[in-house]
Amino acid sequence: SAVISQKPSRDICQRGTSLTIQCQVDSQVTMMFWYRQQPGQSLTLIATANQGSEATYESGFVIDKFPISRPNLTFSTLTVSNMSPEDSSIYLCSVEDGLVGGYTFGSGTRLTVV
Amino acid sequence: DQQVKQNSPSLSVQEGRISILNCDYTNSMFDYFLWYKKYPAEGPTFLISISSIKDKNEDGRFTVFLNKSAKHLSLHIVPSQPGDSAVYFCAAIPTGTASKLTFGTGTRLQVTL
Repeated sequence: SAVISQKPSRDICQRGTSLTIQCQVDSQVTMMFWYRQQPGQSLTLIATANQGSEATYESGFVIDKFPISRPNLTFSTLTVSNMSPEDSSIYLCSVEDGLVGGYTFGSGTRLTVV
Repeated sequence: DQQVKQNSPSLSVQEGRISILNCDYTNSMFDYFLWYKKYPAEGPTFLISISSIKDKNEDGRFTVFLNKSAKHLSLHIVPSQPGDSAVYFCAAIPTGTASKLTFGTGTRLQVTL
């Protein structure tokens, strides 16, 4: 199955600043997905990132707040911009794993905004 | 609007016994279902899945049952082991979207000795 390296694993950030999260996959994948898990909540899809095109955002998420880059088929970044304490969450990237039949996730980035 | 619900936030089971984790959904367009296990500080790990054309799928100690008419699925773990202690999420994919997972809120399973 695909292996995803996600970093940073955690960070504590000041409100008003931005944090960029990186995901590197060990194989080429068409789509990468970014999720958020707020405390005590389920995982919610933020956007789908395709290489060579703009990311597709889910309802409630906008590009200005969560810009995404997808420069090639193995790498993507998610930036959380102008952070507030409400952005404190775990952020995860994911790829479809055809071998497994499911989706493989990165280990997550635990973000705390103070 | 929570389309996938796991009404039990936690479950405690003795080692060797059966663990049954439940999941209900409301969207009749969901046709593929997955279960994930998540340890602290790690991403979710895929466990098992089931297509809506089946009512049961088995993989080792893990069996998923799907009752489409009741919009209900369950994950059975037999026998339960201490290493199974984790948070379990069910997830669903609607027809035609190929990749949009909708997750439940998770059930924390504790397997005791």
